[in-house]
Amino acid sequence: AQSVAQPEDQVNVAEGNPLTVKCTYSVSGNPYLFWYVQYPNRGLQFLLKYITGDNLVKGSYGFEAEFNKSQTSFHLKKPSALVSDSALYFCAVRGPHGSSNTGKLIFGQGTTLQVKP
Amino acid sequence: DAGVTQSPTHLIKTRGQHVTLRCSPISGHKSVSWYQQVLGQGPQFIFQYYEKEERGRGNFPDRFSARQFPNYSSELNVNALLLGDSALYLCASSQEGGQVNSPLHFGNGTRLTVT
Repeated sequence: AQSVAQPEDQVNVAEGNPLTVKCTYSVSGNPYLFWYVQYPNRGLQFLLKYITGDNLVKGSYGFEAEFNKSQTSFHLKKPSALVSDSALYFCAVRGPHGSSNTGKLIFGQGTTLQVKP
Repeated sequence: DAGVTQSPTHLIKTRGQHVTLRCSPISGHKSVSWYQQVLGQGPQFIFQYYEKEERGRGNFPDRFSARQFPNYSSELNVNALLLGDSALYLCASSQEGGQVNSPLHFGNGTRLTVT
C-alpha cells in the first residue's frame, strides 16, 4: 500500500538558515511524490512534484526537494528560510498504479515549520 | 482567474442531521476531489469525480456521497452526522484525473462542526 511518513511534528529554524522537512515513502511501482503547504484556515497549496527525471526538483517560493530512491525519501529543502515560510507542510504520494484510485493523494501527518526572526 | 470556491465556509450541525457542501472548480478543470482533514492530521481522500463519473472512493461509510454536475461543480453530502465528522472538508480540482501532469488545486475548505 502507498504511504508517506513525516517523522517530525515540528521543525524550528532561524530566519536565513537552511531548512529541511523530512518525508519517507512506501509505494508499489514508481513513486509520484508531492509537497503541499497549508497556511492557517486555508486550503493546501501545491509546491512541487516528482514524477520522473532529475532527483532535485525545484518548486514554488524557492523550495526544492531531493528524491532519493535508495533511502525512499523526498525531503523538502530551502537554502534560506523566511519567517513567512512558517506553515504546515504535507508530503503526499499518488494512489496505486492500475487502481481506481490513481487520482487520489495519500498525505502524511504534516510537519509544522516555525521560522524565527 | 478564480480559484476553487467552496461554500459555506463554516457550518454547525447537530448529530443525526444531514449536510451538503458545495464546490466550484477552476474553470477548465474536469476533475473534482473531496478530502476530509481532521484537526492535527493530513487530509484523507473521500471521493474523486472526473467528467461527472466517480473515479475513486476512499474508506468512508455510505453516509458519505457525492456527485458532479454538467458544469463540473460538485456536492458532498453527509447523512446522519456523527461527532467524528467534525473536520475541515477540502475540495480540489485538476485538469485531468491522474495527477501526473495536473496537480490538485485546493479550495479553502468548509469547516464543519457537529455538536
